[in-house]
Amino acid sequence: EIVLTQSPGILSLSPGERATLSCRASQSVTSSYLAWYQQKPGQAPRLVIYGASSRATGIPDRFSGSGSGTDFTLTISRLEPEDFAVYYCQQYGSSLAFGQGTKVEIK
Amino acid sequence: EEQLLQSGGGLVQPGGSLRLSCAASGFTFNSYAMGWVRQAPRKGLEWVSSISGSGGGTDYAEFVKGRFTISRDNSKNTLDLQMKSLRAEDTAVYYCVKGGGWGILAFYMDVWGQGATVTVSS
Repeated sequence: EIVLTQSPGILSLSPGERATLSCRASQSVTSSYLAWYQQKPGQAPRLVIYGASSRATGIPDRFSGSGSGTDFTLTISRLEPEDFAVYYCQQYGSSLAFGQGTKVEIK
Repeated sequence: EEQLLQSGGGLVQPGGSLRLSCAASGFTFNSYAMGWVRQAPRKGLEWVSSISGSGGGTDYAEFVKGRFTISRDNSKNTLDLQMKSLRAEDTAVYYCVKGGGWGILAFYMDVWGQGATVTVSS
């Protein structure tokens, strides 16, 4: 069973700043089968990135994903007000598992 | 537009049963794996179960094995989750999800239902 650990737990930033979120796997994720989701309060999650670096439909290019093996990163180049939310990583290379989430909050 | 419309949910006593349903539209239902993900109050996302496009393959998280059953009706474009022997710790919002890409049982989730609240309490 692959365990995903996200850091930091909370990221306090201002609009316009760069956000860097980390997701570390307990063992290598097959074929970079890693996704990122955004969830706002009271809403269902939304797919942001799949395959470690491919943006989902409708996701702006300020969102980018990178990484392979056990270390993955979601970067938001310049935070917009609508980007403040909780972000989850998920691996789908070996069964399915989510990280515990990183909250990006307004500083 | 690809959509998942959920129904079911509600309050049930410990040890009771409940059935969740999900109606899909806007895509070729039998071509994609489907699944269920839950979120306990103020907690993170937790995968529950997956089913292949044909319905011939299923997978479950350990904590629901033997209690929950996932099924699909490709003639009606519907996905179900039958939950039995419910416990207080099963209290959560349950999301129906569509599998992205071509994964049979493991996949990223590119479409989400609106969620259904299940509360297990006496």
